[in-house]
Amino acid sequence: GDSVTQMEGPVTLSEEAFLTINCTYTATGYPSLFWYVQYPGEGLQLLLKATKADDKGSNKGFEATYRKETTSFHLEKGSVQVSDSAVYFCALIGGSQGNLIFGKGTKLSVKP
Amino acid sequence: DTGVSQNPRHKITKRGQNVTFRCDPISEHNRLYWYRQTLGQGPEFLTYFQNEAQLEKSRLLSDRFSAERPKGSFSTLEIQRTEQGDSAMYLCASSFPSGSFSYEQYFGPGTRLTVT
Repeated sequence: GDSVTQMEGPVTLSEEAFLTINCTYTATGYPSLFWYVQYPGEGLQLLLKATKADDKGSNKGFEATYRKETTSFHLEKGSVQVSDSAVYFCALIGGSQGNLIFGKGTKLSVKP
Repeated sequence: DTGVSQNPRHKITKRGQNVTFRCDPISEHNRLYWYRQTLGQGPEFLTYFQNEAQLEKSRLLSDRFSAERPKGSFSTLEIQRTEQGDSAMYLCASSFPSGSFSYEQYFGPGTRLTVT
């Protein structure tokens, strides 16, 4: 079945460092891909999405490009801030009714 | 738009008791999803409604679990004879009516269940 694999955390970075969180997927067809973020004590929020190959999703300085040839959707940010500390989930639309299939999440801690 | 709301936010129950959670989706959304998230894992799909019809159930949803959406608005998730393995965060999400599944799902804050 469809699945998502993302790099394990936790990831600890200093403020203004470059961030990459790797995400690869297995799916039939060409699913829509998403990054969700969960800040401490809050619910899941959509960070960005891409719906077809070579699409780049971007939001709040984060970017991810839908790479069909490598079945990847890596999350990047050029300069992280303390406020980016959260758990990041890669996900795809799977199943016959559009349910999301999530990776296990990557916890990011940014130190000042 | 007040967002997706869930009640209660926290529930502690003893093993063997029944519990019920409520989800109120964004008003114009006709799709509603339930997910379960355990510590250190991503959310896992439980079930899906389009309007009042329950169209899909995951094999994670054992016979002790039942979900309803009687008027196509709010939804309830009931767990009968709770077990310690049911301890998790239960998440509800809703999305726009559309033929496309690429639309964003909006998540509620979740109900954290602890079974003692």
